Amino acid sequence: IVMTQSPATLSVSPGERATLSCRAGQSVGSNLAWYQQKPGQAPRLLISGASTRATGIPVRFSGSGSGTEFTLTISGLQSEDFAVYYCQQYDNWPPLTFGGGTKVEIK
Amino acid sequence: EVQLLESGGGLVQPGGSLRLSCAASGITFSNYAMSWVRQAPGKGLEWVSAISGSGGSTYYADSVKGRFTVSRDNPKNTLYLQMNSLRADDTAVYYCANWALLRGVPTPRLDFWGQGTLVTVSS
Repeated sequence: IVMTQSPATLSVSPGERATLSCRAGQSVGSNLAWYQQKPGQAPRLLISGASTRATGIPVRFSGSGSGTEFTLTISGLQSEDFAVYYCQQYDNWPPLTFGGGTKVEIK
Repeated sequence: EVQLLESGGGLVQPGGSLRLSCAASGITFSNYAMSWVRQAPGKGLEWVSAISGSGGSTYYADSVKGRFTVSRDNPKNTLYLQMNSLRADDTAVYYCANWALLRGVPTPRLDFWGQGTLVTVSS
């Protein structure tokens, strides 16, 4: 299943809201995860089941969607949130597939 | 606290071999399916392989099928990736990650990741 993320880069000012999109080539139900990756670090699970925050993830991160259209929203961006975000489907595998990523940068 | 620690990366010539290891702690290792995921320099994430908790089932991306072999030693809490016939496009940071267990069912949501080990294929 091809996963397409948009935009590739998102410029946002601290304190503003960021909205990231992920589209699946076919329905994946709610079997969708979001990961955050900072430079030089491993990815970290943020959201699974399309909308459930992982342990320790701040409430400003929220996920929504089902089927083929998904959104990750970061409300009130903080400095530590500037990173690359990936979506991943785990409905139909192998292979597990990731989106190409969205880089959230400081405006 | 779950910890995954990869090792074994390095510089290898095209056509060569390398074995990566991933030492796990903080989980009952044999209960968890595991995956390898790689990231080429400046690129996104690419799933490479997966193995069930018992080691009885293995899965591969088409790009590595026939060249890479995933295995595990549960008493040693260690995951392996044997990489043969390496090519320049295998150059990447290789991460191991554990699957979730949802109501006892292995689910390929990647809960925890190691810090990665760099493999460089070059002459």
